[in-house]
Amino acid sequence: SQTIHQWPATLVQPVGSPLSLECTVEGTSNPNLYWYRQAAGRGLQLLFYSVGIGQISSEVPQNLSASRPQDRQFILSSKKLLLSDSGFYLCAWSVPGATYGYTFGSGTRLTVV
Amino acid sequence: DQQVKQNSPSLSVQEGRISILNCDYTNSMFDYFLWYKKYPAEGPTFLISISSIKDKNEDGRFTVFLNKSAKHLSLHIVPSQPGDSAVYFCADPGTGNQFYFGTGTSLTVIP
Repeated sequence: SQTIHQWPATLVQPVGSPLSLECTVEGTSNPNLYWYRQAAGRGLQLLFYSVGIGQISSEVPQNLSASRPQDRQFILSSKKLLLSDSGFYLCAWSVPGATYGYTFGSGTRLTVV
Repeated sequence: DQQVKQNSPSLSVQEGRISILNCDYTNSMFDYFLWYKKYPAEGPTFLISISSIKDKNEDGRFTVFLNKSAKHLSLHIVPSQPGDSAVYFCADPGTGNQFYFGTGTSLTVIP
């Protein structure tokens, strides 16, 4: 069966520090991968999605970046965090072209102080 | 642009009563929609879906209705239970490579 792992679960980082969140998927090949953010009191905002290794599409201009160094690994990074980067970050995967749904990871609560 | 809207950010319902969560959409490619449920500090999980060949899909206490002419769908939960308290998102999967989520409705079921 397919599983998705996302870590860490919580993170408190000072303003200006770097960020690296990692997501891995098991049990499937060539998944579509996604990074979402849920800011306080707001919906799910798509940040990045990837349809293959090294292929990253950015949906929102920001100081975040994403990379997909391996087929089932998706990394969200920042060189210098801002206070506004605080939120709940979710990784998700889906079968390419399938409409029957995403599977989300358990999320990372990031607090920038 | 495809767009999915949930105009009610929050809803409170007494335990045992019906919860109705609404979602409006524009320009859906396949008139196929999903509902996700999200607890705090957890990822959303798939709840129920509906396709354009139906106007209703039922799964236990959860029923989703689709009104294509009005471009409206709704999720009914009956009877509501305290464990149903969560944020509910409607989603349009588009072509399948990028889902469009509503902004969510936070449901509180009062014991």
